[in-house]
Amino acid sequence: KAGVTQTPRYLIKTRGQQVTLSCSPISGHRSVSWYQQTPGQGLQFLFEYFSETQRNKGNFPGRFSGRQFSNSRSEMNVSTLELGDSALYLCASSLYWEFEYGYTFGSGTRLTVV
Amino acid sequence: QQQVKQSPQSLIVQKGGIPIINCAYENTAFDYFPWYQQFPGKGPALLIAIRPDVSEKKEGRFTISFNKSAKQFSLHIMDSQPGDSATYFCAASITGNQFYFGTGTSLTVIP
Repeated sequence: KAGVTQTPRYLIKTRGQQVTLSCSPISGHRSVSWYQQTPGQGLQFLFEYFSETQRNKGNFPGRFSGRQFSNSRSEMNVSTLELGDSALYLCASSLYWEFEYGYTFGSGTRLTVV
Repeated sequence: QQQVKQSPQSLIVQKGGIPIINCAYENTAFDYFPWYQQFPGKGPALLIAIRPDVSEKKEGRFTISFNKSAKQFSLHIMDSQPGDSATYFCAASITGNQFYFGTGTSLTVIP
């Protein structure tokens, strides 16, 4: 059974640019959540989608956005990149939004903003 | 404001030792407390989880102890092995809502 797939694995962008990250959840999983991981802040919740609808949103500026497609694949977009956006972006999927069995995380996309 | 506070930040133990990682929370509405293990270059992987109606849960060499009145929970790793060297995160959530993660504990098990 394939796990959560995130692409690309690594990305280098310049300040002011925008970036789109992709996440393919485990087959059959309908909930996809996104987290930002940095050494200082740990894992911070960005947003969660279930059946193409955003259910929850974390405390991040509007430059961070996401969407989910009918096949449950999800994308997140960061516009007008700042140096502080450099982080590991993790996607996690779950069968339902109850998270009874926890998330399954992907290996992440390492974003570096220069 | 950190919803879940985790300590210590790093831990070094000898093989066979029992590392203990502690977490504390304030929100009494939290009803799900998982622990995640993360190796370099990988995403966190669910290790074990507990709900507040249980005071202890064991899965293999991993044990969660939960103290509802103190709003604290901890992870114990029995007979630790070098392969357990990783970063461990505690988390808390209200069912159906986002997870709040601790800041992580880097564990090193010396052979």
